[in-house]
Amino acid sequence: QVQLQESGPGLLKPSETLSLTCAVSGYSISSGYYWGWIRQPPGKGLEWIGTIYHSGSTSYNPSLKSRVTISVGTSNNQFSLKLTSVTAADTAVYFCARRYFDSSGYYPDAFDIWGQGTMVTVSS
Amino acid sequence: QSALTQPASVSGSPGQSITISCTGTSSDVGGYNYVSWYQQHPGKAPKFMIYDVSKRPSGVSNRFSGSKSGNTASLTISGLQAEDEADYYCSSYTSSSTLVFGGGTKLTVL
Repeated sequence: QVQLQESGPGLLKPSETLSLTCAVSGYSISSGYYWGWIRQPPGKGLEWIGTIYHSGSTSYNPSLKSRVTISVGTSNNQFSLKLTSVTAADTAVYFCARRYFDSSGYYPDAFDIWGQGTMVTVSS
Repeated sequence: QSALTQPASVSGSPGQSITISCTGTSSDVGGYNYVSWYQQHPGKAPKFMIYDVSKRPSGVSNRFSGSKSGNTASLTISGLQAEDEADYYCSSYTSSSTLVFGGGTKLTVL
């Protein structure tokens, strides 16, 4: 059973860099799949941050692209999110997730397995 | 990219059917059959319900169905149950090869 678990600092100051890790258990990241990050500000909707393929190719939300880096760390079976120059607007629950694989042999643009989420607050 | 438009709230009584709309543009919802739907209970991670407009992943009740017409996708829940009360989000692939979510709809079961 594949499980994802986010970890990282819960409190940051404005202008700092947010760094989160998603540990994957039950599946080896280097074997395949796309992996993504999604966030949800308190009381608001979901926002896609970006997605990475197990080989390292990435796609990012244009509104965040200049500040975001997603990377894969296959040696410890995890992938990471870095978001630079954070502001209060980056306060949110951050989820990591696995992109769904259809048995017909393709990856729909949907996430089927999610971590529980980790709250990140940006405040001075 | 702008968020897809969903009604803020919908409601229905147990046993009834409700429909949640998700409106985008020809650059996302209208241009591709790549709309997904998620259910989220308070304090929980989203649950994957529908993909590719109308396909249900294994384990999702057939009370949940999806459709699309033009730039608007819809999620229909039939035989409404108390446990269906949750927030629902749509998402769509875009012409920029990105993903965009809707603003979310709160479903209340009366």
